[in-house]
Amino acid sequence: AQKVTQAQTEISVVEKEDVTLDCVYETRDTTYYLFWYKQPPSGELVFLIRRNSFDEQNEISGRYSWNFQKSTSSFNFTITASQVVDSAVYFCALSEAAGSARQLTFGSGTQLTVLP
Amino acid sequence: GAGVSQSPRYKVAKRGQDVALRCDPISGHVSLFWYQQALGQGPEFLTYFQNEAQLDKSGLPSDRFFAERPEGSVSTLKIQRTQQEDSAVYLCASSLANRADQPQHFGDGTRLSIL
Repeated sequence: AQKVTQAQTEISVVEKEDVTLDCVYETRDTTYYLFWYKQPPSGELVFLIRRNSFDEQNEISGRYSWNFQKSTSSFNFTITASQVVDSAVYFCALSEAAGSARQLTFGSGTQLTVLP
Repeated sequence: GAGVSQSPRYKVAKRGQDVALRCDPISGHVSLFWYQQALGQGPEFLTYFQNEAQLDKSGLPSDRFFAERPEGSVSTLKIQRTQQEDSAVYLCASSLANRADQPQHFGDGTRLSIL
């Protein structure tokens, strides 16, 4: 069975600091997909990124970057020069390609607070 | 609509009452998912549909929970004889195709409180 662990429950940083959110996953599938979502106080989960298990190339999008390492089963998310608007709960999630299951398995989330 | 729409936004019910939560997915999206999110936790899967077919209901916690999507568009999650442990945010998501690589797009959720 798949599992996603986000060990950091809460992180506080001061604006303009860099911050990394950790995600470790478990799966028996060789083909799987990893996702990051942002949940602001309004409650809606906002999709940020998807990575395929066979593509370990890191990705950068503006102030956001993602480091995928299959050897350590990790998919970490870094925000550079954090801003107050980045304050939210961030979730890492996994889906497996095998079988008919299509649901996402989520971690418990990391509450990020960026202080002005 | 442009996004996934859920109603009501908030629902308060007395223990033992039945409730119905509605989800209107993104137009054209084939797959529709329901998740339950307890306070301080990540969403947990309840059930999902491909068009009108309910393909997986393994996450429904009891037979008091029932979901339908009769015309392959709008979906309703019904909870009968509600109990206090049913209090949670219920999230609906839709995706364009029935594939594991498809991002799921979420609504704002319905916050259910059982008194």
